[in-house]
Amino acid sequence: ELKVEQNPLFLSMQEGKNYTIYCNYSTTSDRLYWYRQDPGKSLESLFVLLSNGAVKQEGRLMASLDTKARLSTLHITAAVHDLSATYFCAVGRMDSSYKLIFGSGTRLLVRP
Amino acid sequence: DSGVTQTPKHLITATGQRVTLRCSPRSGDLSVYWYQQSLDQGLQFLIQYYNGEERAKGNILERFSAQQFPDLHSELNLSSLELGDSALYFCASSPLAGGIYNEQFFGPGTRLTVL
Repeated sequence: ELKVEQNPLFLSMQEGKNYTIYCNYSTTSDRLYWYRQDPGKSLESLFVLLSNGAVKQEGRLMASLDTKARLSTLHITAAVHDLSATYFCAVGRMDSSYKLIFGSGTRLLVRP
Repeated sequence: DSGVTQTPKHLITATGQRVTLRCSPRSGDLSVYWYQQSLDQGLQFLIQYYNGEERAKGNILERFSAQQFPDLHSELNLSSLELGDSALYFCASSPLAGGIYNEQFFGPGTRLTVL
């Protein structure tokens, strides 16, 4: 059974600081997603990582994937308040369905 | 805006009742997925339909059922509701049934409150 673990579950950081969110998954996967969710809102797709060594960057966020270690990271550089949200990683497998298995989410609070 | 629509946005009902949640996928998408987000269970996959047929089932209770109609919209039916069914229900759609490039797009969700 595919399991996805995220840590930390909660992260409070000061503006301007750097930090990394980790996502481990238990079995072989074909794709890894990172999503952002604001309170009470839908899921906004941030990154899709397809292959080992994939790195994608958008603004202050950078995501990477190591399929051998079954690990993805979401790195936050020089955090700003607008990044406060919950971040989820999700793993998909290429089979007859493409259901996504989500991690528990990391609630990020960026303090002034 | 992902192009996936869900109605209603909010639903408040009582235990034992039955409700129907509706989802319209993005134009051209053939797959619809239902997910449940609750405080204790997190985000869980419930069920997938592809072009009218059930494709995959996740942690969906027997009290819950879904279908996809010829116009590709989908409905999730929840019956004999319990307090624990209170959650945010998301619908997502994708072009295909599976495959590595089959990205899912999420709707705004329906917040269900069972009193």
